[in-house]
Amino acid sequence: GENVEQHPSTLSVQEGDSAVIKCTYSDSASNYFPWYKQELGKGPQLIIDIRSNVGEKKDQRIAVTLNKTAKHFSLHITETQPEDSAVYFCAARGIDMRFGAGTRLTVKP
Amino acid sequence: DTGVSQNPRHKITKRGQNVTFRCDPISEHNRLYWYRQTLGQGPEFLTYFQNEAQLEKSRLLSDRFSAERPKGSFSTLEIQRTEQGDSAMYLCASSLLGGLHEQYFGPGTRLTVT
Repeated sequence: GENVEQHPSTLSVQEGDSAVIKCTYSDSASNYFPWYKQELGKGPQLIIDIRSNVGEKKDQRIAVTLNKTAKHFSLHITETQPEDSAVYFCAARGIDMRFGAGTRLTVKP
Repeated sequence: DTGVSQNPRHKITKRGQNVTFRCDPISEHNRLYWYRQTLGQGPEFLTYFQNEAQLEKSRLLSDRFSAERPKGSFSTLEIQRTEQGDSAMYLCASSLLGGLHEQYFGPGTRLTVT
C-alpha cells in the first residue's frame, strides 16, 4: 500500500518568510495529492491539491510542486502570516488516501 | 452551514461500553469516508461508502467497529466494547462521485475511553 513520509515535523519561521514542507510517496499509481491545514480542535481543511498530470499549481501565497519521477511533492507558503500557524498534512491517493504525519508550522510575529 | 457535520463533538465513555457517532455529509456528495486520527498523526483511513454501499474497509477496522449509511445520506460509526486504545479523533469526510477526489472533512468526534 501507499506510504507517505512528511518533513519536517515542526517548522518555525518569522512572519514574512517562506515555509516549505516536503513529502514523498511510495505508490507510483498515486494520482492525486492534496494538502490540508488543521487548526486546534478542528477537522483538516483542504487548502490546495495537485493531480499527477500537473507539475505545479499556485493559489495566491500557496503553491504545490510535484515530481512524479522522484515521487516527491512539496507545499510552499510565501509571505507567511501568524494565521498560517497550524498543522499541515500532505496526502496521496492510490487505492485509498494516505496522509503524512503532519508538520506543525509556527509563524512568529 | 453546508459543510460536513459530526455529532457528538466529544464523547467520554468507560471501557466496555458501546458508542455511536453520526456524520452528515455535504448534501450532494455521494461518497462518505471515516478516518481515525491519534495525537501527532495524520488521519488513518477506516472505511468509505458510495451512496449506501460500503465499498472498502481498512484492516484497522476491527470486528468491534461497524459503519452504516442506510439511505445514502448520513452515516453512523459504532464501536462496541470500547477499549482505551480506541481513544482518538474520529473524522468524517465526503466527496462527489466523479469528482477528482477532493474530500471535505467535518470537525470530528473526540472519543476518550477511560
